[in-house]
Amino acid sequence: SAVISQKPSRDICQRGTSLTIQCQVDSQVTMMFWYRQQPGQSLTLIATANQGSEATYESGFVIDKFPISRPNLTFSTLTVSNMSPEDSSIYLCSVPGLGYETQYFGPGTRLLVL
Amino acid sequence: DAKTTQPTSMDCAEGRAANLPCNHSTISGNEYVYWYRQIHSQGPQYIIHGLKNNETNEMASLIITEDRKSSTLILPHATLRDTAVYYCIGRTGANNLFFGTGTRLTVIP
Repeated sequence: SAVISQKPSRDICQRGTSLTIQCQVDSQVTMMFWYRQQPGQSLTLIATANQGSEATYESGFVIDKFPISRPNLTFSTLTVSNMSPEDSSIYLCSVPGLGYETQYFGPGTRLLVL
Repeated sequence: DAKTTQPTSMDCAEGRAANLPCNHSTISGNEYVYWYRQIHSQGPQYIIHGLKNNETNEMASLIITEDRKSSTLILPHATLRDTAVYYCIGRTGANNLFFGTGTRLTVIP
C-alpha cells in the first residue's frame, strides 16, 4: 500500500487569497488524483495529474481556479485560487495501487474560508 | 460507471454482522463492484472489490448476485471502529472513482 501525506492538514483562510496544498507519496506513481469533499457531501473528483503533462480536469473545475503541479513521480500540489467561502471543503489526493485495482487516499486538508 | 443505490443509513449492534446492500442494476459486464469506507475525518479506505464471484478478505465479504444487479458487503463482527460511511462504486477499471452518497453505518454498543 502507498503512504500519502498532505500539508497542511487544515487551514483557515481569508476570501480572495490562495492556498497551495501539497501531496507526498512514499513511492513513484504515474497518476495522482485530487478530490474535493464539501461539508456533509461525498467526494467529487477535481482532476487527474500525470507527471510530465497537464492535469485533466473534470466538468465544473478549471485550471485557473485549481492549478495543479506535478513536478515528479512522488509529489503534487493543488492550489485553490481566489478563495470564497464556497471553497470550504476537505481536499484529498489519492494514488492508484499496484495493478490499478485500488486507490489509496491521503488524510485530507480541511480548508475553511472566511 | 454504473449508478449505484444505497440506503442512507443503517445501525448494527456491536459484535453482530453488518450487511450493507447496494443496487447496481445498470452495471455492465466488465464493471467491477468496489467498496470503500470513510471514517470520520479520514480519507476513504479500500475494503474489497469483485466482478462476479463472491470475495472475502481480512476486512469483509462481498456477495454479488448472479445477475450482478446487486451486492452486499458483510462485516462479520462489527466493532465500534467500523462506524463510517460505506461507498459502493461500479467501475470499469478506470482509475478515477465516482463516489455516491454512501451508507452511514453506526455500530451501537
